[in-house]
Amino acid sequence: QQQVKQSPQSLIVQKGGISIINCAYENTAFDYFPWYQQFPGKGPALLIAIRPDVSEKKEGRFTISFNKSAKQFSLHIMDSQPGDSATYFCAASRTGNNRKLIWGLGTSLAVNP
Amino acid sequence: DTEVTQTPKHLVMGMTNKKSLKCEQHMGHRAMYWYKQKAKKPPELMFVYSYEKLSINESVPSRFSPECPNSSLLNLHLHALQPEDSALYLCASSQDSRLAGGTDTQYFGPGTRLTVL
Repeated sequence: QQQVKQSPQSLIVQKGGISIINCAYENTAFDYFPWYQQFPGKGPALLIAIRPDVSEKKEGRFTISFNKSAKQFSLHIMDSQPGDSATYFCAASRTGNNRKLIWGLGTSLAVNP
Repeated sequence: DTEVTQTPKHLVMGMTNKKSLKCEQHMGHRAMYWYKQKAKKPPELMFVYSYEKLSINESVPSRFSPECPNSSLLNLHLHALQPEDSALYLCASSQDSRLAGGTDTQYFGPGTRLTVL
């Protein structure tokens, strides 16, 4: 059973466009929602993370929007650049769960020049 | 500094070999993790160490044996692996979120690309 559902599986965006990746979760006990960026052959790198007490968090061109009632959160990449081409994973965890991350299946983003 | 280092970068081994993967962090993190990642899939948790004690074993076959010699080091000993064990093996670490100012953020190393022949 996939506890964190991520969409789309792949995404192609033109340079300068907005990339949007969505995730939905089922467990209302989740209280930490990170996004990771992974380039081929590299380990995942934390991009941005949010907790359910805020509805939006922005870091540079990256924004997480969080909708607690809908149990959804999304990543927006503004002014997408070819260097943003990577796989993006959303994840969720809950305090006291030995820090186990529940991962989405990933989105492969390609930004065309 | 949020660096987790892993050695070796690449490893090729036969099914009868014994090898070890190594991971090191100097961020003072007290939780360390081993993950296995197949191509185009999310990382799959294998083991979690918390304060040098094994706290999670995700029903991993005994041919994988973790070890945490101290709070900075994490090893994964490999023996009698199968070709399907070929994957990217990732190490990660995090602070203790129970501590004041602690977070759940996991920082990943670059991984070891393992090929089992």
